[in-house]
Order: sequence, then C-alpha cells, then structure tokens
Amino acid sequence: DQQVKQNSPSLSVQEGRISILNCDYTNSMFDYFLWYKKYPAEGPTFLISISSIKDKNEDGRFTVFLNKSAKHLSLHIVPSQPGDSAVYFCAASHGGSQGNLIFGKGTKLSVKP
Amino acid sequence: DAGVIQSPRHEVTEMGQEVTLRCKPISGHDYLFWYRQTMMRGLELLIYFNNNVPIDDSGMPEDRFSAKMPNASFSTLKIQPSEPRDSAVYFCASSWAGRTQYFGPGTRLLVL
Repeated sequence: DQQVKQNSPSLSVQEGRISILNCDYTNSMFDYFLWYKKYPAEGPTFLISISSIKDKNEDGRFTVFLNKSAKHLSLHIVPSQPGDSAVYFCAASHGGSQGNLIFGKGTKLSVKP
Repeated sequence: DAGVIQSPRHEVTEMGQEVTLRCKPISGHDYLFWYRQTMMRGLELLIYFNNNVPIDDSGMPEDRFSAKMPNASFSTLKIQPSEPRDSAVYFCASSWAGRTQYFGPGTRLLVL
C-alpha cells in the first residue's frame, strides 16, 4: 500500500526549460512534505519542504506546490540545468508520527544541454 | 560543518558473517534514522531513535537486524548472520525535532 506515489519513473527536459515533478499521496493525515534530490553513490539531499498550511513554497529556482484537495504536490524547477539531473524523491509525514517519513519511489530527471 | 557520517562506505562480506554499520549524526540533532534502499522496495525506514531511545523498529525486517544508539553521537546497525538478500544501500539520517532529515552518504553492502 503505497501512501506516496511518484508515477513517472523518469523525465527528460531541455536545459533552460521548466521541469515539473509530480507526487500523489493517499493519507489525509500528512501535514508536512519534502523533496529530496539524490545523485548516484550519494545520500538524498534535502531540497525544499512545505507545510500543509501553505500551498506554495519557493526557494530560488525550486518551487513546491501543494493541492490538498487533490492530495497532490509538485516540484517546479525553472530554469532547468544539467546539474539538476538526479533522482528526485518526494516524502511526507504527519505530526502524530514525527520522524516517520514516507518516501515515494523517485523520478529520475535528465536535463539535456 | 560536518554532515552525517557513515562507515564503512562499502562492505563486501560472505553469507553468515556479522556486519556492523556505523553512523555519526549531525551534532545537536535529536532524531536518528536508519533506512535501506533496494531497487524493489525503494527507500524504507528500518528504525528510528529519539534522544537515543528507539521509538519505532517496525521496519526492521527480522531478528537478524539490531540497532543501538549508546549516545547522542553514535549509532550502529548490526546484521547477524548476514544473507545475500540483505545486499542494499543503508542510509543513516538525522534531524532536529523529527521533520527535515539529513542523510549520510550511505553504506553499500554486498553479501555474497
């Protein structure tokens, strides 16, 4: 029973264009969401997070959007750069289970020069 | 500022041997997590500690797996005896107040 789903295993985007990575969740108790980026042979690196009291959070080229009614979040990268090529994981947790992050299976982003 | 430190980075062992993975969390963090990543199951939580106390070990696959956190700056994950199906990348992560977790580089384990 996957509570956090990333339905696209891969995404290819041209340098300079927008990358949109999507994530769906099923547990309405989730109130905190995160995106991690992972390069090969490295651990996941925290990218950006959003609390359920917001619907958008922005940090430089990265913006996360949360649609609670649709139980959907997305990560926008604008403009995309070749160095953004990595696997992106979305994760979710709820206050009643601090520490228990549920991860999606990841989306591999390739940004072509 | 040092991040989460894990050792060894790579481990190759034979079936039946004991394996010990080590983790040093970020100083000041009060939560520590152990994860396992495989192609089939993705990133799955094995166990986590709060203030050195195990809180949830429901993800530990079998009694062959054990984890300890004797102090705030050190934790171990032990597999005894190891089996080929334990081959995976094991990550340690730490956080303050349990929300945003910061991961170490991982230990790539191969059990022959």
